[in-house]
Amino acid sequence: DADVTQTPRNRITKTGKRIMLECSQTKGHDRMYWYRQDPGLGLRLIYYSFDVKDINKGEISDGYSVSRQAQAKFSLSLESAIPNQTALYFCATSDSTAEGYTFGSGTRLTVV
Amino acid sequence: SQQGEEDPQALSIQEGENATMNCSYKTSINNLQWYRQNSGRGLVHLILIRSNEREKHSGRLRVTLDTSKKSSSLLITASRAADTASYFCATDDTGRRALTFGSGTRLQVQP
Repeated sequence: DADVTQTPRNRITKTGKRIMLECSQTKGHDRMYWYRQDPGLGLRLIYYSFDVKDINKGEISDGYSVSRQAQAKFSLSLESAIPNQTALYFCATSDSTAEGYTFGSGTRLTVV
Repeated sequence: SQQGEEDPQALSIQEGENATMNCSYKTSINNLQWYRQNSGRGLVHLILIRSNEREKHSGRLRVTLDTSKKSSSLLITASRAADTASYFCATDDTGRRALTFGSGTRLQVQP
């Protein structure tokens, strides 16, 4: 099994629908992150969590919410999807910022 | 906002040649990291260099860091077709709690 598992891998949804992207990890890391990747823009931080009671907004949190259900699970929700949320979404984990992140394989989300 | 800006945006070389990618950033950092992404897949951590280090090696990778110029370079020596990927720098900025990623360099290694 992968260290960081994201589901679903691909999703097409309609404008206005609520959708949840899930992330689970077996690394035992406390820190988990959600990033969004758009072509030519690199990765931008949506939300991050340093433990189950510590949830923080990133630079592009509007239109998104998260839930840290357990140390190993961090879900990202789009309450009412819009087309400009079409992107590749990545979950990542780390033990600290003094070492590298471990990324999931990503969820490709298309909002039509 | 993007912290790291990679240069060039795209690079095409022949197998066996060296590939050099550059990253510039704007604020003070604790460390700088390089990641690799194969087409549409998750990023893979390659190497981390701390702010008090100037050069680091890992296999065919060599990373330099110049904090006075706020820049870093990644050198891949003796490139292979399998090195074809996008490469991203990411900074652990002082005062922030998560990495800031640049926009990446797309490397194409022709066999």
